[in-house]
This record gives sequence, C-alpha cells and structure tokens, in this order.
Amino acid sequence: AQTVTQSQPEMSVQEAETVTLSCTYDTSESDYYLFWYKQPPSRQMILVIRQEAYKQQNATENRFSVNFQKAAKSFSLKISDSQLGDAAMYFCASEYGNKLVFGAGTILRVKS
Amino acid sequence: DTGVSQDPRHKITKRGQNVTFRCDPISEHNRLYWYRQTLGQGPEFLTYFQNEAQLEKSRLLSDRFSAERPKGSFSTLEIQRTEQGDSAMYLCASSPAAGRFLNEQFFGPGTRLTVL
Repeated sequence: AQTVTQSQPEMSVQEAETVTLSCTYDTSESDYYLFWYKQPPSRQMILVIRQEAYKQQNATENRFSVNFQKAAKSFSLKISDSQLGDAAMYFCASEYGNKLVFGAGTILRVKS
Repeated sequence: DTGVSQDPRHKITKRGQNVTFRCDPISEHNRLYWYRQTLGQGPEFLTYFQNEAQLEKSRLLSDRFSAERPKGSFSTLEIQRTEQGDSAMYLCASSPAAGRFLNEQFFGPGTRLTVL
C-alpha cells in the first residue's frame, strides 16, 4: 500500500520569510503524480501545486515550489515570501490508482 | 462553474439514525470521489465513480455505507445505523478524465457529521 509521511505536525514562519514543508512517500509505481493541497481553517481544500513523477524539473507556481527527489521519494514544498493568507493545514498527497493518498498534514502558522 | 458543492454542510444526528449526503461535482467532470477526514488527519479514500459506475470501494466503507451516482452527475453517500465513530468530515471531489486538469481532484467544502 502507498503511504505518505509528513514528519512536521506544525511549522511557523515569519511573514515575508521562506519555509519548507517536508513530505516522503512510498510507491511501487514508476509513473505517478504528487500534490500539495492547502486547507485553510473551516474552508475547502485547494490544490497548491502538482508534480508529475516523470518530469525531472521541479514544479513552481508563483511563490510555491517543490523539491522533488524521485530516488529518495521526497517531495518538499517551499513557500517564499510567506503571507498571512498562507496560514493553513498543508497536505501532501500521492496519486494511487485514481485515488489520492494523503499525509497527516502540517499546520503552518504565519507570524506578523 | 460553481465548483463542487455538498449538502448539507453540517449534520448532527443520534446514534442509530440514517443520514444521506449529496455531492454535485463540477459539471464536465466524470470522476467523483468520496473521502473521510477525521480531526487532525488527512482525508482517507472511501469510494470512486467514473460516470455512474462505482469502480472502487475502500475497506473503510463498511456495509453500513452505500454510495450512488445514478445518472453520472450528482452522488449520494448514505450511512445507515450511524455510530459515534462515523463522526467526521465527509469530502467529495471530482476530476476530469482528460485534458489539462487530468488527475487533479477538485474538492467540495465537505459535510461535517456529528453522531451523538
């Protein structure tokens, strides 16, 4: 079975600074997708960024980028120039047979 | 496009009662998923439809749970004889089968179930 591990239950970052959230996964697939989702308090989950495993180039979306290390099965999220609106629970997920397998999440707190 | 919608947003019920939740996916999406999320945890997969066909069910989906997607549009998730352990957020998501957003799941706001 696929597993996704987020080893940081909670992280804090100062506004305008950079923070990195960690994620490792286990899969026997050769081609797959990885995702980071953001879930603000009492609001619905939205996709932050996605990575296709066959692409060696790390995905970027504005202030969000990933460090994808396929051999190490590591998929970390870097948030640059953190903003108060980035405060949320962040979930790492891998796609497994048309369904998503999620990690336990990391709570990100942004300090002003 | 109004996104994925779910109804009701909150449901409080007594143990032993039946409850039904509804999910309306994004209109052009033919894949629909149900997940369950307990407090402080990531969502866990329950079941998945492609059009009206239910293609996969998790072992988490006991025989008290049933899901349908009768016309390949909206879906319902019914829980019979609810137990306190069923208290959770039930999330619905949809995705297209092709195109730019292939494999990207769009989530609804969820239905929070509390079983007393």
